[in-house]
Amino acid sequence: QVQLQESGPGLVKPSGTLSLTCAVSGGSINSDDWWSWVRQSPGKGLEWIGQIFHSGITNYNPSLSSRVIISVDKFKNQFSLKFSSVTAADTAVYYCARQQSGTTSLDYWGRGTLVTVSS
Amino acid sequence: QSVLTQPPSVSGAPGQRVTISCTGTSSNIGAGHDVHWLQLLPGTAPRRLIYNNKNRASGVPDRFSGSKSGTSASLAITGLQAEDEGDYYCQSYDSSLNAYVFGTGTKVTVL
Repeated sequence: QVQLQESGPGLVKPSGTLSLTCAVSGGSINSDDWWSWVRQSPGKGLEWIGQIFHSGITNYNPSLSSRVIISVDKFKNQFSLKFSSVTAADTAVYYCARQQSGTTSLDYWGRGTLVTVSS
Repeated sequence: QSVLTQPPSVSGAPGQRVTISCTGTSSNIGAGHDVHWLQLLPGTAPRRLIYNNKNRASGVPDRFSGSKSGTSASLAITGLQAEDEGDYYCQSYDSSLNAYVFGTGTKVTVL
């Protein structure tokens, strides 16, 4: 069974860069699936951030794309998120997830990690 | 951004049936994009319940069922159990936004 685990700092200063990594186990990041980042701000709903294919092709949410970079490390079987110029509004639980090949469905998710933007 | 609309909450007694609606537009559900349903329970990873409108994910009991018609979709839970308490989200794709989109979320309470 595929498992995903997010890791990274839980506290980021305003105007700084949020950096998270998602380690994939039980499956290969070189599969035909896409790998996504989703976030949930406190008391709010889910928001898709973007996705990456093992070849490095990315798709980003247009509303966030100017601040987001997603990258993949095939050798470590992991992918990463960098989110720049953060503000308090970027405080959220960040999830990584797999988008099943051939569908738009996110089938496997990590437990999520809370990132707080504060000085 | 939540472009799919769900009721904020639904509730029912154990054993009852509840339904959660997910209303979209002509650029997402109405455009033919599939709808999927997720369950979020505190402290656990989000769990996929239904994919491609009506297919139950592996290990999901048949008490959960999904449907889609026009610009809307629904999730039904029959034989409601205490363990079903949590937040439920629909998910689809929006052609105008070029983004995957989620519903506003529904809290299910078992009375």
